[in-house]
Amino acid sequence: KQEVTQIPAALSVPEGENLVLNCSFTDSAIYNLQWFRQDPGKGLTSLLLIQSSQREQTSGRLNASLDKSSGRSTLYIAASQPGDSATYLCALPGGSYIPTFGRGTSLIVHP
Amino acid sequence: DGGITQSPKYLFRKEGQNVTLSCEQNLNHDAMYWYRQDPGQGLRLIYYSQIVNDFQKGDIAEGYSVSREKKESFPLTVTSAQKNPTAFYLCASSKGHGGYTFGSGTRLTVV
Repeated sequence: KQEVTQIPAALSVPEGENLVLNCSFTDSAIYNLQWFRQDPGKGLTSLLLIQSSQREQTSGRLNASLDKSSGRSTLYIAASQPGDSATYLCALPGGSYIPTFGRGTSLIVHP
Repeated sequence: DGGITQSPKYLFRKEGQNVTLSCEQNLNHDAMYWYRQDPGQGLRLIYYSQIVNDFQKGDIAEGYSVSREKKESFPLTVTSAQKNPTAFYLCASSKGHGGYTFGSGTRLTVV
């Protein structure tokens, strides 16, 4: 059974810092990995989807990498802003393509 | 624009009452999922459906029921057998390896 771990569980940083959020998984036989953002009381918004054949994806200040062999993905946030404050989750398809989620990293960026 | 619509946004249930949460998608996705999210906890899978007229129990199906009569719709009924239904409910969909799309959620409260 796929298990997903996200480190750190919480992060509080001053505005402008470059951040690294980590996601590790136990089963490397994956089709893709997806990073989401969740604001309090809201649904999940997809940030980046990395297919298994890719090593990274970029969108604006966000960059996600994928290393299947080591069972790790990293979400890099450049020049963090208060608006980046949210919970970030990674998800991988498990058995029958059912997504397995990490517990998330709660990020606070203070001015 | 294509997406997933969950309604209502807020729902109040009296003791012993059944309530139904709506989830509709126009993405032509084959698979649909229901998750429950409690404060400080991760996402827990309630039910999922990979094709019309077929669905499977997730990790916490007791006290819930679903139907999948149409590809676009996957309603969730919270029955009186669910003793602690107060939570945030999220619906998602997917097609193949194309990643997952989430709705904006329904917050259910027992009064």
